[in-house]
Amino acid sequence: DAGITQSPRYKITETGRQVTLMCHQTWSHSYMFWYRQDLGHGLRLIYYSAAADITDKGEVPDGYVVSRSKTENFPLTLESATRSQTSVYFCASGLPNTGELFFGEGSRLTVL
Amino acid sequence: KNQVEQSPQSLIILEGKNCTLQCNYTVSPFSNLRWYKQDTGRGPVSLTIMTFSENTKSNGRYTATLDADTKQSSLHITASQLSDSASYICVVILNTGGFKTIFGAGTRLFVKA
Repeated sequence: DAGITQSPRYKITETGRQVTLMCHQTWSHSYMFWYRQDLGHGLRLIYYSAAADITDKGEVPDGYVVSRSKTENFPLTLESATRSQTSVYFCASGLPNTGELFFGEGSRLTVL
Repeated sequence: KNQVEQSPQSLIILEGKNCTLQCNYTVSPFSNLRWYKQDTGRGPVSLTIMTFSENTKSNGRYTATLDADTKQSSLHITASQLSDSASYICVVILNTGGFKTIFGAGTRLFVKA
């Protein structure tokens, strides 16, 4: 099915462990984004990518790593998870000419 | 500093009533503004886009307005339904090339029967 999918939808991990959240889109949008959403903060940009092999930091990049070897995939890795990274993570892809973002369903991460 | 502020933070209304959500922005250079609806547990979905030259745009029971002079936008919901219960997020897109967006914190709307 066309769209943007995230996995896993739910993840519980422990402090210090590495976690990777996956994001896949079928539209071939050039831009892809990772956001985190916490109560009281709204959506905050972690990293974004303008094209394959091009990534850049957003507002809150510390503790996160991204890669984009293929246009359709944009995984987000927490190399050593901390409790402050407990959040809901949203992946999005977008069309720069219209500014519309298409969001995935979110990945709820709990770090114990 | 580029900012988008939304009010109120939350709102409770009775089914069938109208409501208006506000978005004030201090963003430059402005390209366009979008309103997104986010249902609980889901990702946001675009409701409408407002460009610099547009004042009003409707999408069913949703009507967005934009005053580029005062840098204010509003989202008016007519004859609210229980399914309108959601967060509504105002997003401003900058005209800087690339894809730079500034998000508001959202308004949480509760529609009660």
